Parts: sequence; C-alpha cells; structure tokens
Amino acid sequence: DVKVTQSSRYLVKRTGEKVFLECVQDMDHENMFWYRQDPGLGLRLIYFSYDVKMKEKGDIPEGYSVSREKKERFSLILESASTNQTSMYLCASSPRRGMVTQYFGPGTRLLVL
Amino acid sequence: AQKVTQAQTEISVVEKEDVTLDCVYETRDTTYYLFWYKQPPSGELVFLIRRNSFDEQNEISGRYSWNFQKSTSSFNFTITASQVVDSAVYFCALKLAQKLVFGQGTRLTINP
Repeated sequence: DVKVTQSSRYLVKRTGEKVFLECVQDMDHENMFWYRQDPGLGLRLIYFSYDVKMKEKGDIPEGYSVSREKKERFSLILESASTNQTSMYLCASSPRRGMVTQYFGPGTRLLVL
Repeated sequence: AQKVTQAQTEISVVEKEDVTLDCVYETRDTTYYLFWYKQPPSGELVFLIRRNSFDEQNEISGRYSWNFQKSTSSFNFTITASQVVDSAVYFCALKLAQKLVFGQGTRLTINP
C-alpha cells in the first residue's frame, strides 16, 4: 500500500511565525505535491516537485516555498504565517510514469492566530 | 479554460436511496485522465477510480458506478443503496500534465 504521512494533523501558529509542514512517502514516487483545501474552493495546488531539488509553482504559490532534499520528503514552508493561510494542507505523491494516480496524506489543519 | 465543475455543493439523502454526483469538465487536451476521490471526516483523500479519455466504458464496483460521456464532458458517479458510511465529501479531478485540477467537491450526507 502507498503510504503518505504528514508530520502533524493539527497545528496552531501565530502570525509572523515560520511554519514547516513535512510530508514523507514510502513508494519511491518521483512526483510530490502540496495542496490547500478551503470550503467552496476544492483543492488548489501550491507547489509540486518532480524530482529531488526540483520544484514548480502551482496555482497559488504566493506566501509559500518548498524544499525537496530527498526523494521521499517534501516540505512546505510558510516564511511568515498570516491568518489567510489558515487552511487544510494536503500532500500527495505519484509516480512520474505509468500509473498516474496521486495518493494523499491525512492532511494538516493549520490555524494561524 | 481547463476546469472541473461539481455543481452540487451538498446532497442529503436517506439511507438506501440511490444518489448521483455530477461532474462536468473542460479541457483542450485529447488525452486526459479523470478521477474521483472520497474525503471522509478524517480528512484523507481516498482514491476511488481513474478513467482515461480513450475508455468510455462505464465501470461498476460494488455499489459504486461511474458514467463517462465524452460527448457531454461528464463523468458522473452513482452510489446505489447508499449507506451512512458513504457520508463524505467527494471530489472529481482532471489530470493535466502532472497536475490534478479539482472540482469544488460535493458534500454527501446519508441519513439513517
């Protein structure tokens, strides 16, 4: 079974703090993704990575950065958290070729006060 | 525009009723994939089905069935004899290159 794990299920941070969200997958997938989910908006892609040290902006990258130093790990960084970044964050991974299905982690609910 | 529309924001039915979730997509691509995911209250998105644009066969898996029609750009999902455990948010998604474009989701509530 594909396993995608995220470091925290719930997180509370203060405005201006630097926040790290970690995602690890154990299926040797090349592609990894970060989405945020907000009511009425579905899931929106923040960043994705198709290889170690590679990253691509998604639809809403502003206020975020990412890091992929190892194939299995993809980190989302909020350099200076703001209240409008309160959301549910979901990580996913997929192989680059063949099966194209993305598999998701359990999500992190982030509250920025 | 390349997008997915799930016009039904919320649906509520009584257990054992059949329910259909609608999904309409727009894409310029001739080769694409469509997906359905289920998000139970726990939050994790669970993959249900993948369909590629060359395969218009309907699919049935137990109480779940999917109707893919390229002529109407629709990929609808039907749950037969719904159960309380089917209560969740359901997302339809379109794969473009390496990315997924999601619909807004439909919250399905099955009442006992």
